[in-house]
Amino acid sequence: DAGVIQSPRHEVTEMGQEVTLRCKLISGHNSLFWYRQTMMRGLELLIYFNNNVPIDDSGMPEDRFSAKMPNASFSTLKIQPSEPRDSAVYFCASSLDEGSSGLFFGSGTQLSVL
Amino acid sequence: GNSVTQMEGPVTLSEEAFLTINCTYTATGYPSLFWYVQYPGEGLQLLLKATKADDKGSNKGFEATYRKETTSFHLEKGSVQVSDSAVYFCALASNTGKLIFGQGTTLQVKP
Repeated sequence: DAGVIQSPRHEVTEMGQEVTLRCKLISGHNSLFWYRQTMMRGLELLIYFNNNVPIDDSGMPEDRFSAKMPNASFSTLKIQPSEPRDSAVYFCASSLDEGSSGLFFGSGTQLSVL
Repeated sequence: GNSVTQMEGPVTLSEEAFLTINCTYTATGYPSLFWYVQYPGEGLQLLLKATKADDKGSNKGFEATYRKETTSFHLEKGSVQVSDSAVYFCALASNTGKLIFGQGTTLQVKP
Protein backbone atom coordinates (compact mmCIF):
# COMPACT_ATOMS: atom_id res chain seq x y z
CA ASP A 1 0.00 0.00 0.00
CA ALA A 2 1.27 3.49 -0.86
CA GLY A 3 0.16 5.01 2.42
CA VAL A 4 -1.87 8.18 2.84
CA ILE A 5 -1.47 10.34 -0.25
CA GLN A 6 -1.94 14.10 -0.15
CA SER A 7 -1.97 16.59 -2.98
CA PRO A 8 -0.65 19.05 -3.79
CA ARG A 9 2.61 18.97 -1.78
CA HIS A 10 2.91 22.73 -2.07
CA GLU A 11 0.31 25.38 -2.81
CA VAL A 12 0.93 29.10 -3.19
CA THR A 13 -2.10 31.29 -3.71
CA GLU A 14 -3.30 34.81 -3.28
CA MET A 15 -5.59 36.02 -0.55
CA GLY A 16 -9.24 35.55 -1.48
CA GLN A 17 -8.68 32.55 -3.72
CA GLU A 18 -10.25 29.15 -3.13
CA VAL A 19 -7.90 26.37 -2.07
CA THR A 20 -8.69 22.65 -2.20
CA LEU A 21 -6.50 20.09 -0.48
CA ARG A 22 -6.89 16.41 -1.28
CA CYS A 23 -6.30 13.21 0.62
CA LYS A 24 -6.48 9.53 -0.26
CA LEU A 25 -6.81 7.16 2.68
CA ILE A 26 -5.05 3.86 3.13
CA SER A 27 -7.23 1.10 1.71
CA GLY A 28 -9.39 -0.44 4.42
CA HIS A 29 -9.07 2.44 6.87
CA ASN A 30 -12.35 3.94 8.01
CA SER A 31 -11.31 7.06 9.94
CA LEU A 32 -9.90 10.23 8.43
CA PHE A 33 -8.36 13.19 10.28
CA TRP A 34 -7.36 16.64 9.05
CA TYR A 35 -4.67 18.47 11.06
CA ARG A 36 -3.01 21.86 10.67
CA GLN A 37 0.54 22.50 11.86
CA THR A 38 2.13 25.89 12.52
CA MET A 39 5.08 27.01 14.59
CA MET A 40 2.86 29.11 16.83
CA ARG A 41 0.05 26.65 17.54
CA GLY A 42 1.64 23.27 16.86
CA LEU A 43 -0.63 20.46 15.65
CA GLU A 44 -4.33 21.25 15.66
CA LEU A 45 -7.08 18.75 14.85
CA LEU A 46 -9.50 20.40 12.44
CA ILE A 47 -12.01 17.64 11.82
CA TYR A 48 -12.32 13.90 11.77
CA PHE A 49 -14.60 11.43 10.02
CA ASN A 50 -15.55 7.89 10.81
CA ASN A 51 -17.15 5.80 8.07
CA ASN A 52 -17.53 8.95 5.95
CA VAL A 53 -19.48 10.78 8.66
CA PRO A 54 -18.03 13.90 10.34
CA ILE A 55 -17.70 13.11 14.05
CA ASP A 56 -15.99 16.18 15.44
CA ASP A 57 -15.53 19.43 13.53
CA SER A 58 -14.99 21.63 16.57
CA GLY A 59 -11.47 22.44 15.41
CA MET A 60 -12.53 23.95 12.11
CA PRO A 61 -11.51 27.59 12.45
CA GLU A 62 -14.50 29.22 10.82
CA ASP A 63 -17.03 28.93 8.03
CA ARG A 64 -14.38 29.51 5.40
CA PHE A 65 -13.20 25.96 6.03
CA SER A 66 -15.15 22.91 4.89
CA ALA A 67 -14.29 19.22 4.58
CA LYS A 68 -15.97 16.37 2.76
CA MET A 69 -15.65 12.65 2.26
CA PRO A 70 -17.45 11.88 -0.99
CA ASN A 71 -16.45 8.23 -0.67
CA ALA A 72 -14.68 5.89 1.72
CA SER A 73 -11.21 6.48 0.32
CA PHE A 74 -11.05 10.18 -0.46
CA SER A 75 -11.42 13.52 1.31
CA THR A 76 -11.09 17.20 0.50
CA LEU A 77 -10.46 20.22 2.69
CA LYS A 78 -11.54 23.49 1.12
CA ILE A 79 -10.75 27.04 2.20
CA GLN A 80 -12.83 29.75 0.59
CA PRO A 81 -11.81 32.56 0.64
CA SER A 82 -8.24 31.95 1.80
CA GLU A 83 -6.39 34.40 4.05
CA PRO A 84 -2.67 34.81 4.89
CA ARG A 85 -3.27 33.47 8.41
CA ASP A 86 -4.30 30.14 6.85
CA SER A 87 -0.69 29.56 5.79
CA ALA A 88 0.41 26.30 7.42
CA VAL A 89 1.14 22.67 6.70
CA TYR A 90 -2.05 20.65 6.44
CA PHE A 91 -1.87 16.94 7.18
CA CYS A 92 -4.42 14.24 6.74
CA ALA A 93 -4.18 10.93 8.56
CA SER A 94 -6.15 7.72 8.42
CA SER A 95 -6.79 4.93 10.86
CA LEU A 96 -8.61 1.63 11.23
CA ASP A 97 -10.40 2.43 14.44
CA GLU A 98 -10.86 6.14 15.09
CA GLY A 99 -7.22 6.50 16.02
CA SER A 100 -7.08 4.26 19.06
CA SER A 101 -4.38 2.06 17.51
CA GLY A 102 -2.49 4.91 15.89
CA LEU A 103 -2.72 7.22 12.89
CA PHE A 104 -0.97 7.04 9.55
CA PHE A 105 -0.08 10.50 8.25
CA GLY A 106 0.38 11.81 4.74
CA SER A 107 3.35 13.99 3.83
CA GLY A 108 1.31 17.16 4.14
CA THR A 109 0.44 20.15 1.97
CA GLN A 110 2.47 23.29 2.56
CA LEU A 111 0.03 26.15 1.98
CA SER A 112 1.19 29.72 1.54
CA VAL A 113 -1.43 32.44 1.15
CA LEU A 114 0.08 35.72 0.00
CA GLY B 1 -10.05 17.57 30.17
CA ASN B 2 -7.47 15.42 28.44
CA SER B 3 -4.05 16.89 27.81
CA VAL B 4 -0.43 15.99 27.12
CA THR B 5 2.62 17.90 28.31
CA GLN B 6 6.11 17.36 26.96
CA MET B 7 9.43 18.77 28.01
CA GLU B 8 10.42 21.83 26.07
CA GLY B 9 13.13 21.59 23.49
CA PRO B 10 15.34 21.71 21.74
CA VAL B 11 17.21 18.81 23.24
CA THR B 12 20.78 18.75 21.95
CA LEU B 13 22.90 15.63 22.43
CA SER B 14 26.11 14.16 21.13
CA GLU B 15 25.99 10.93 19.18
CA GLU B 16 25.76 7.83 21.41
CA ALA B 17 24.38 9.81 24.35
CA PHE B 18 21.39 8.61 26.37
CA LEU B 19 18.06 10.23 25.52
CA THR B 20 15.06 10.96 27.71
CA ILE B 21 12.12 13.07 26.58
CA ASN B 22 9.57 13.51 29.33
CA CYS B 23 5.84 13.24 28.72
CA THR B 24 3.02 13.45 31.24
CA TYR B 25 -0.68 13.28 30.62
CA THR B 26 -4.05 14.11 32.13
CA ALA B 27 -6.95 11.90 31.13
CA THR B 28 -10.14 10.30 32.31
CA GLY B 29 -10.20 6.55 32.06
CA TYR B 30 -7.34 4.57 30.58
CA PRO B 31 -6.15 6.08 27.32
CA SER B 32 -3.75 4.53 24.86
CA LEU B 33 -0.43 6.40 24.66
CA PHE B 34 1.80 7.02 21.66
CA TRP B 35 5.05 8.53 20.52
CA TYR B 36 5.24 9.92 17.00
CA VAL B 37 8.31 11.19 15.17
CA GLN B 38 8.42 13.86 12.46
CA TYR B 39 11.47 14.17 10.23
CA PRO B 40 12.01 17.46 8.37
CA GLY B 41 9.55 17.95 5.52
CA GLU B 42 7.56 14.83 6.35
CA GLY B 43 4.38 13.83 8.13
CA LEU B 44 4.29 12.24 11.56
CA GLN B 45 5.14 8.55 11.86
CA LEU B 46 4.02 6.29 14.64
CA LEU B 47 7.12 5.32 16.63
CA LEU B 48 5.64 3.22 19.43
CA LYS B 49 2.54 2.80 21.55
CA ALA B 50 1.22 1.31 24.78
CA THR B 51 -2.39 0.51 25.48
CA LYS B 52 -2.49 -0.22 29.21
CA ALA B 53 -0.66 0.45 32.45
CA ASP B 54 2.85 -1.05 32.73
CA ASP B 55 2.97 -1.82 29.00
CA LYS B 56 6.28 -0.99 27.35
CA GLY B 57 6.27 0.16 23.74
CA SER B 58 9.48 -0.21 21.77
CA ASN B 59 10.76 0.36 18.25
CA LYS B 60 14.11 1.19 16.62
CA GLY B 61 15.87 1.25 19.99
CA PHE B 62 13.34 3.66 21.52
CA GLU B 63 11.27 2.62 24.55
CA ALA B 64 8.51 4.11 26.67
CA THR B 65 6.63 2.60 29.62
CA TYR B 66 3.03 3.47 30.47
CA ARG B 67 3.18 4.58 34.12
CA LYS B 68 -0.30 5.07 35.52
CA GLU B 69 0.89 6.00 39.01
CA THR B 70 2.90 8.96 37.68
CA THR B 71 0.73 9.53 34.57
CA SER B 72 3.86 9.47 32.45
CA PHE B 73 5.12 7.96 29.21
CA HIS B 74 8.73 9.09 28.92
CA LEU B 75 10.65 8.27 25.74
CA GLU B 76 14.15 6.80 26.11
CA LYS B 77 16.94 5.57 23.89
CA GLY B 78 20.25 4.25 25.09
CA SER B 79 22.44 5.58 22.29
CA VAL B 80 21.19 8.21 19.87
CA GLN B 81 22.39 8.69 16.31
CA VAL B 82 22.51 11.76 14.07
CA SER B 83 19.68 10.21 12.06
CA ASP B 84 17.42 10.40 15.16
CA SER B 85 17.33 14.19 14.84
CA ALA B 86 13.64 15.03 14.47
CA VAL B 87 10.63 16.35 16.35
CA TYR B 88 9.03 13.89 18.78
CA PHE B 89 5.36 14.09 19.77
CA CYS B 90 3.70 12.37 22.70
CA ALA B 91 -0.02 11.69 22.25
CA LEU B 92 -2.99 10.03 23.88
CA ALA B 93 -6.16 8.58 22.41
CA SER B 94 -9.13 9.79 24.40
CA ASN B 95 -12.20 7.67 25.02
CA THR B 96 -13.94 9.58 22.20
CA GLY B 97 -11.25 8.44 19.78
CA LYS B 98 -9.67 11.84 19.44
CA LEU B 99 -5.86 11.82 19.40
CA ILE B 100 -4.43 14.61 21.53
CA PHE B 101 -0.83 15.64 20.86
CA GLY B 102 1.76 17.34 23.00
CA GLN B 103 3.53 20.37 21.62
CA GLY B 104 6.49 18.39 20.30
CA THR B 105 10.14 18.24 21.37
CA THR B 106 12.93 18.89 18.88
CA LEU B 107 15.93 16.57 19.20
CA GLN B 108 19.24 17.58 17.64
CA VAL B 109 22.02 15.00 17.66
CA LYS B 110 25.51 16.22 16.82
CA PRO B 111 28.27 13.97 15.49
